[in-house]
Amino acid sequence: GNSVTQMEGPVTLSEEAFLTINCTYTATGYPSLFWYVQYPGEGLQLLLKATKADDKGSNKGFEATYRKETTSFHLEKGSVQVSDSAVYFCALLRTAGNKLTFGGGTRVLVKP
Amino acid sequence: SQTIHQWPATLVQPVGSPLSLECTVEGTSNPNLYWYRQAAGRGLQLLFYSVGIGQISSEVPQNLSASRPQDRQFILSSKKLLLSDSGFYLCAWGVGSKETQYFGPGTRLLVL
Repeated sequence: GNSVTQMEGPVTLSEEAFLTINCTYTATGYPSLFWYVQYPGEGLQLLLKATKADDKGSNKGFEATYRKETTSFHLEKGSVQVSDSAVYFCALLRTAGNKLTFGGGTRVLVKP
Repeated sequence: SQTIHQWPATLVQPVGSPLSLECTVEGTSNPNLYWYRQAAGRGLQLLFYSVGIGQISSEVPQNLSASRPQDRQFILSSKKLLLSDSGFYLCAWGVGSKETQYFGPGTRLLVL
């Protein structure tokens, strides 16, 4: 079946540090891949997405590249801010049906 | 533009009491609608999805039910709440195949 594995948190960083959150997936076919962010007490917001191999999604300084050869979709940001403190979820949308499969989420805490 | 509303935002209910959570979407027609649950410290689990009025699919057996009385309205219900029903309930919508799903602000439910 489909599954998404994320690195466990929490990840604690200082402001302006480089952030990487690893995400790997298992799926049949060619799923679309997503990163969602959840700020404290809020719902999920779409951060970025990629729909085919080698696509790069980017938004708000975050980037992730769809790597089919390594079945990965790692999230990166070159210089984090305190406001980036949140929980980040990697997800895949399987090709049959419209159901998202989520990773367990990674909590990121950025300290000033 | 499209917006999604959920209410109430927070709910505290005794064990054995009924539940009704509502989700409405504006600015789109015939969306696919989804209910997810996020238990404390865990990832998201898809509970129900609907591709049209009166069409409900359940992903996991549970104490909850869902209904879609109107095109842009999705309701999550229970006749008798259990302690294990506590969590953060998120409604989402999407349109078409390989869709992106957009989430509402969520309802935090605490069953005591």
